[in-house]
Amino acid sequence: NAGVTQTPKFQVLKTGQSMTLQCAQDMNHEYMSWYRQDPGMGLRLIHYSVGAGITDQGEVPNGYNVSRSTTEDFPLRLLSAAPSQTSVYFCASSDRWTTDTQYFGPGTRLTVL
Amino acid sequence: GENVEQHPSTLSVQEGDSAVIKCTYSDSASNYFPWYKQELGKGPQLIIDIRSNVGEKKDQRIAVTLNKTAKHFSLHITETQPEDSAVYFCAAFSYGGATNKLIFGTGTLLAVQP
Repeated sequence: NAGVTQTPKFQVLKTGQSMTLQCAQDMNHEYMSWYRQDPGMGLRLIHYSVGAGITDQGEVPNGYNVSRSTTEDFPLRLLSAAPSQTSVYFCASSDRWTTDTQYFGPGTRLTVL
Repeated sequence: GENVEQHPSTLSVQEGDSAVIKCTYSDSASNYFPWYKQELGKGPQLIIDIRSNVGEKKDQRIAVTLNKTAKHFSLHITETQPEDSAVYFCAAFSYGGATNKLIFGTGTLLAVQP
């Protein structure tokens, strides 16, 4: 199993540009989520999904969109990037629930100029 | 809102010594408390977790204790080794109305000096 994979590893955007961060898992997990990690702030939940076709907002959803068309994939879209979205983004998955073991991907480091 | 406080933010110990990281949480309904280790350039990895029906759990050199009355839990690492050097995050599962989520602490950078 590859586990949770994320692409790209690094990305630089200009303010106003859009992009999609990819996340995929091959463990047949129902629950997937996106976090952002900022210095001194731990990890904060952006969006999550409890299964294909179902998504919901986390703590900091503004400026981000998600969709879950398959069990395996959970892309995160930035429609109009802002410098405040400079961060490291982690995708995670777990079997069914938040309280199952969360498996994190390697992260995407995003810089918005 | 719900929050998790984690202390200390940095911790330096000599190889072989013990390390203790402490967290407090605000949501009294929280019932799941995982600890994650994050090495440089990698995603967090679960190292141990505890649920509210137990007070202590051990796994080799790592142990976690939970005090639900005081709403705090701690990570204990004994006989530390240089490979234990990493950032450690605690988290608490919070029933926050419409969103059930893990609330993470701000992390502790542990440095084990050889």
